[in-house]
Amino acid sequence: ETGVTQSPTHLIKTRGQQVTLRCSSQSGHNTVSWYQQALGQGPQFIFQYYREEENGRGNFPPRFSGLQFPNYSSELNVNALELDDSALYLCASSRGGLAGEREQYFGPGTRLTVT
Amino acid sequence: GENVEQHPSTLSVQEGDSAVIKCTYSDSASNYFPWYKQELGKRPQLIIDIRSNVGEKKDQRIAVTLNKTAKHFSLHITETQPEDSAVYFCASTGANSKLTFGKGITLSVRP
Repeated sequence: ETGVTQSPTHLIKTRGQQVTLRCSSQSGHNTVSWYQQALGQGPQFIFQYYREEENGRGNFPPRFSGLQFPNYSSELNVNALELDDSALYLCASSRGGLAGEREQYFGPGTRLTVT
Repeated sequence: GENVEQHPSTLSVQEGDSAVIKCTYSDSASNYFPWYKQELGKRPQLIIDIRSNVGEKKDQRIAVTLNKTAKHFSLHITETQPEDSAVYFCASTGANSKLTFGKGITLSVRP
Protein backbone atom coordinates (compact mmCIF):
# COMPACT_ATOMS: atom_id res chain seq x y z
CA GLU A 1 0.00 0.00 0.00
CA THR A 2 1.10 3.57 -0.67
CA GLY A 3 1.24 6.27 2.00
CA VAL A 4 -1.39 8.32 0.17
CA THR A 5 -4.66 8.73 2.04
CA GLN A 6 -8.00 10.22 1.02
CA SER A 7 -11.14 11.22 2.84
CA PRO A 8 -13.97 10.58 2.93
CA THR A 9 -14.24 7.07 1.52
CA HIS A 10 -17.77 7.50 0.25
CA LEU A 11 -20.01 10.51 -0.21
CA ILE A 12 -23.57 11.01 -1.41
CA LYS A 13 -24.61 14.47 -2.57
CA THR A 14 -27.57 16.04 -4.30
CA ARG A 15 -27.36 17.74 -7.68
CA GLY A 16 -26.42 21.40 -7.30
CA GLN A 17 -24.56 20.92 -4.02
CA GLN A 18 -20.86 21.45 -3.44
CA VAL A 19 -18.29 18.90 -2.24
CA THR A 20 -14.74 18.96 -0.89
CA LEU A 21 -12.48 15.92 -1.10
CA ARG A 22 -9.16 15.63 0.71
CA CYS A 23 -5.84 13.97 0.00
CA SER A 24 -2.67 13.54 2.04
CA SER A 25 0.42 12.87 -0.03
CA GLN A 26 3.07 10.28 0.66
CA SER A 27 6.01 11.40 2.79
CA GLY A 28 8.62 13.15 0.66
CA HIS A 29 6.21 13.89 -2.17
CA ASN A 30 5.43 17.50 -3.07
CA THR A 31 3.13 17.08 -6.06
CA VAL A 32 -0.50 15.98 -6.05
CA SER A 33 -2.56 15.11 -9.11
CA TRP A 34 -6.31 14.52 -9.12
CA TYR A 35 -8.14 12.10 -11.40
CA GLN A 36 -11.77 11.21 -12.04
CA GLN A 37 -12.51 7.56 -12.79
CA ALA A 38 -15.95 6.77 -14.14
CA LEU A 39 -17.17 3.20 -13.90
CA GLY A 40 -15.41 0.97 -16.41
CA GLN A 41 -13.06 3.72 -17.58
CA GLY A 42 -9.48 4.76 -17.01
CA PRO A 43 -8.66 7.68 -14.73
CA GLN A 44 -9.06 11.13 -16.34
CA PHE A 45 -6.64 13.88 -15.32
CA ILE A 46 -8.35 16.83 -13.60
CA PHE A 47 -5.38 18.94 -12.44
CA GLN A 48 -2.07 18.86 -10.64
CA TYR A 49 -0.67 20.92 -7.79
CA TYR A 50 2.99 21.63 -7.15
CA ARG A 51 4.24 23.98 -4.46
CA GLU A 52 0.71 25.14 -3.72
CA GLU A 53 -0.03 26.22 -7.30
CA GLU A 54 -1.97 24.60 -10.11
CA ASN A 55 0.55 23.07 -12.48
CA GLY A 56 -1.53 21.73 -15.34
CA ARG A 57 -5.21 21.10 -15.94
CA GLY A 58 -7.23 18.59 -17.91
CA ASN A 59 -10.47 19.09 -19.77
CA PHE A 60 -12.64 19.87 -16.75
CA PRO A 61 -14.81 22.99 -16.20
CA PRO A 62 -13.90 25.74 -13.71
CA ARG A 63 -16.39 24.39 -11.15
CA PHE A 64 -13.64 21.84 -10.43
CA SER A 65 -11.06 23.64 -8.33
CA GLY A 66 -8.37 22.73 -5.89
CA LEU A 67 -5.87 23.75 -3.29
CA GLN A 68 -2.55 22.52 -2.02
CA PHE A 69 -1.35 23.31 1.48
CA PRO A 70 2.20 23.91 2.82
CA ASN A 71 2.33 20.28 4.04
CA TYR A 72 1.55 19.21 0.42
CA SER A 73 -1.88 17.84 1.24
CA SER A 74 -4.57 18.86 -1.21
CA GLU A 75 -8.27 19.45 -1.65
CA LEU A 76 -10.54 19.02 -4.64
CA ASN A 77 -13.67 21.15 -4.67
CA VAL A 78 -16.57 20.62 -7.03
CA ASN A 79 -19.37 23.19 -7.21
CA ALA A 80 -22.84 22.85 -8.70
CA LEU A 81 -22.68 19.05 -8.75
CA GLU A 82 -24.12 17.26 -11.75
CA LEU A 83 -25.24 13.65 -12.05
CA ASP A 84 -22.28 12.94 -14.37
CA ASP A 85 -19.89 13.90 -11.57
CA SER A 86 -20.65 10.56 -9.95
CA ALA A 87 -17.33 8.71 -10.06
CA LEU A 88 -14.32 7.55 -8.09
CA TYR A 89 -12.01 10.48 -7.40
CA LEU A 90 -8.38 9.52 -7.05
CA CYS A 91 -5.43 11.56 -5.97
CA ALA A 92 -1.86 10.59 -6.72
CA SER A 93 1.31 11.95 -5.18
CA SER A 94 4.80 12.15 -6.63
CA ARG A 95 8.13 13.91 -6.24
CA GLY A 96 9.13 16.95 -8.22
CA GLY A 97 7.25 19.43 -10.38
CA LEU A 98 7.23 17.36 -13.55
CA ALA A 99 5.11 14.65 -11.91
CA GLY A 100 4.16 13.18 -15.24
CA GLU A 101 7.71 12.00 -15.66
CA ARG A 102 7.94 10.40 -12.26
CA GLU A 103 6.15 7.63 -10.46
CA GLN A 104 2.68 8.58 -9.27
CA TYR A 105 1.20 6.66 -6.34
CA PHE A 106 -2.53 6.61 -5.89
CA GLY A 107 -4.69 6.94 -2.82
CA PRO A 108 -7.69 4.65 -2.25
CA GLY A 109 -10.12 7.15 -3.75
CA THR A 110 -13.38 8.78 -2.75
CA ARG A 111 -16.54 7.33 -4.26
CA LEU A 112 -18.89 10.25 -4.99
CA THR A 113 -22.52 9.60 -5.83
CA VAL A 114 -24.68 12.50 -7.02
CA THR A 115 -28.43 11.96 -6.90
CA GLY B 1 -3.90 16.18 -26.94
CA GLU B 2 -2.47 12.76 -26.18
CA ASN B 3 -4.59 9.71 -27.00
CA VAL B 4 -3.85 6.28 -25.52
CA GLU B 5 -5.57 3.16 -26.78
CA GLN B 6 -5.49 -0.34 -25.33
CA HIS B 7 -6.19 -3.56 -27.12
CA PRO B 8 -7.88 -5.92 -26.51
CA SER B 9 -10.44 -4.82 -23.89
CA THR B 10 -10.57 -8.26 -22.31
CA LEU B 11 -8.09 -11.10 -22.21
CA SER B 12 -8.46 -14.59 -20.79
CA VAL B 13 -5.50 -16.92 -20.36
CA GLN B 14 -4.85 -20.27 -18.73
CA GLU B 15 -2.83 -20.24 -15.54
CA GLY B 16 0.84 -20.59 -16.39
CA ASP B 17 0.50 -19.08 -19.86
CA SER B 18 1.83 -15.67 -20.88
CA ALA B 19 -0.29 -12.57 -21.36
CA VAL B 20 0.55 -9.60 -23.58
CA ILE B 21 -1.32 -6.30 -23.42
CA LYS B 22 -0.65 -3.65 -26.04
CA CYS B 23 -1.09 0.12 -26.01
CA THR B 24 -0.60 2.82 -28.60
CA TYR B 25 -0.08 6.52 -28.02
CA SER B 26 -0.31 9.53 -30.28
CA ASP B 27 2.04 12.19 -28.91
CA SER B 28 5.60 11.69 -30.15
CA ALA B 29 6.79 13.88 -27.25
CA SER B 30 5.61 11.31 -24.68
CA ASN B 31 8.51 10.20 -22.54
CA TYR B 32 7.15 8.16 -19.61
CA PHE B 33 4.95 5.07 -19.78
CA PRO B 34 3.65 3.46 -16.57
CA TRP B 35 1.41 0.43 -16.17
CA TYR B 36 -1.13 0.18 -13.37
CA LYS B 37 -3.01 -2.82 -11.99
CA GLN B 38 -6.40 -2.20 -10.39
CA GLU B 39 -8.23 -4.90 -8.50
CA LEU B 40 -11.95 -4.54 -7.91
CA GLY B 41 -12.68 -1.78 -5.42
CA LYS B 42 -9.00 -0.92 -4.92
CA ARG B 43 -6.63 1.84 -5.97
CA PRO B 44 -4.56 1.64 -9.16
CA GLN B 45 -1.18 0.15 -8.27
CA LEU B 46 1.96 1.02 -10.23
CA ILE B 47 3.51 -2.27 -11.34
CA ILE B 48 6.16 -1.21 -13.83
CA ASP B 49 7.15 1.80 -15.91
CA ILE B 50 9.51 2.65 -18.73
CA ARG B 51 11.10 5.84 -19.94
CA SER B 52 11.61 6.81 -23.56
CA ASN B 53 15.38 6.29 -23.44
CA VAL B 54 14.91 2.57 -22.72
CA GLY B 55 13.51 -0.13 -25.01
CA GLU B 56 12.73 -2.82 -22.46
CA LYS B 57 12.48 -3.24 -18.71
CA LYS B 58 11.88 -6.38 -16.70
CA ASP B 59 10.85 -7.05 -13.10
CA GLN B 60 10.48 -10.74 -12.23
CA ARG B 61 7.45 -12.04 -14.21
CA ILE B 62 6.58 -8.65 -15.66
CA ALA B 63 8.24 -6.84 -18.57
CA VAL B 64 7.45 -3.78 -20.62
CA THR B 65 8.69 -3.03 -24.13
CA LEU B 66 8.58 0.31 -25.94
CA ASN B 67 8.71 1.00 -29.66
CA LYS B 68 9.01 4.77 -30.10
CA THR B 69 8.99 4.61 -33.88
CA ALA B 70 5.65 2.82 -33.97
CA LYS B 71 4.43 4.61 -30.82
CA HIS B 72 3.36 1.53 -28.98
CA PHE B 73 4.32 -0.23 -25.78
CA SER B 74 3.38 -3.60 -24.34
CA LEU B 75 3.08 -5.31 -20.99
CA HIS B 76 4.22 -8.92 -20.83
CA ILE B 77 3.28 -11.19 -17.92
CA THR B 78 4.83 -14.66 -17.85
CA GLU B 79 3.71 -17.68 -15.82
CA THR B 80 0.37 -16.06 -15.06
CA GLN B 81 -1.31 -16.79 -11.74
CA PRO B 82 -4.94 -16.34 -10.64
CA GLU B 83 -3.89 -13.34 -8.53
CA ASP B 84 -2.83 -11.59 -11.76
CA SER B 85 -6.55 -11.27 -12.60
CA ALA B 86 -7.37 -7.55 -12.55
CA VAL B 87 -7.85 -4.52 -14.78
CA TYR B 88 -4.60 -3.24 -16.27
CA PHE B 89 -4.19 0.36 -17.42
CA CYS B 90 -1.42 1.76 -19.56
CA ALA B 91 -0.67 5.46 -19.46
CA SER B 92 1.67 7.98 -20.99
CA THR B 93 2.77 11.54 -20.54
CA GLY B 94 2.45 13.97 -23.39
CA ALA B 95 4.30 17.26 -23.72
CA ASN B 96 2.25 18.81 -20.88
CA SER B 97 3.38 16.12 -18.40
CA LYS B 98 -0.11 14.97 -17.40
CA LEU B 99 -0.79 11.22 -17.35
CA THR B 100 -3.24 10.05 -20.01
CA PHE B 101 -4.70 6.59 -19.36
CA GLY B 102 -6.08 3.97 -21.67
CA LYS B 103 -9.52 2.51 -21.01
CA GLY B 104 -8.13 -0.58 -19.36
CA ILE B 105 -8.10 -4.28 -20.10
CA THR B 106 -9.65 -6.94 -17.91
CA LEU B 107 -7.29 -9.87 -17.55
CA SER B 108 -8.75 -13.16 -16.37
CA VAL B 109 -6.45 -16.02 -15.45
CA ARG B 110 -8.25 -19.34 -15.50
CA PRO B 111 -7.03 -21.84 -12.87
